[in-house]
Amino acid sequence: KAGVTQTPRYLIKTRGQQVTLSCSPISGHRSVSWYQQTPGQGLQFLFEYFSETQRNKGNFPGRFSGRQFSNSRSEMNVSTLELGDSALYLCASSLDPTSYNEQFFGPGTRLTVL
Amino acid sequence: AQSVAQPEDQVNVAEGNPLTVKCTYSVSGNPYLFWYVQYPNRGLQFLLKYITGDNLVKGSYGFEAEFNKSQTSFHLKKPSALVSDSALYFCAVRDGQAGTALIFGKGTTLSVSS
Repeated sequence: KAGVTQTPRYLIKTRGQQVTLSCSPISGHRSVSWYQQTPGQGLQFLFEYFSETQRNKGNFPGRFSGRQFSNSRSEMNVSTLELGDSALYLCASSLDPTSYNEQFFGPGTRLTVL
Repeated sequence: AQSVAQPEDQVNVAEGNPLTVKCTYSVSGNPYLFWYVQYPNRGLQFLLKYITGDNLVKGSYGFEAEFNKSQTSFHLKKPSALVSDSALYFCAVRDGQAGTALIFGKGTTLSVSS
């Protein structure tokens, strides 16, 4: 079974631009979560989607948004990029949002903001 | 509030020796605990989880973890370390009553020398 895929793997943008990252979950998984990983802050939860609805949101500004499509694929968007948005963005999927289900992570998208 | 602490930034062991990577947690409800491993330029790989039941949990690649409710700990262990175990290890927790976001520790770098 194919794992979680994320595109693109690497991205370079300049301040003020916007960016869209894509995530395809494992087949049959309907819950998708996004995390930001930085050396300073570690792994931080961004948001979670299930059945095209945002179920949970972390403590990030409104510039960070996401959505989920009917096929469970998800996108996240960051508008008005700042230097501090440079990070590894990880997508994770699970069967559903049940708390005891493990999440399976994709390889991540490395975003560099210049 | 939920939190996870990994008190050691780095753990060094010799190949063939037992290893322990420490994790303590704080949640208000029932804890669901997870261990993940991250290799350079890769996403996170699920190792094992504790939901309920037996306090000793066995996972992938010979790893196991011991849940201790009184000490609020969930230490990762392996009887005999391999050089290929060298990686970044993350402990994570979900509060069974407070949503599905994973709260991660800062991570512990495991270095196994030959």
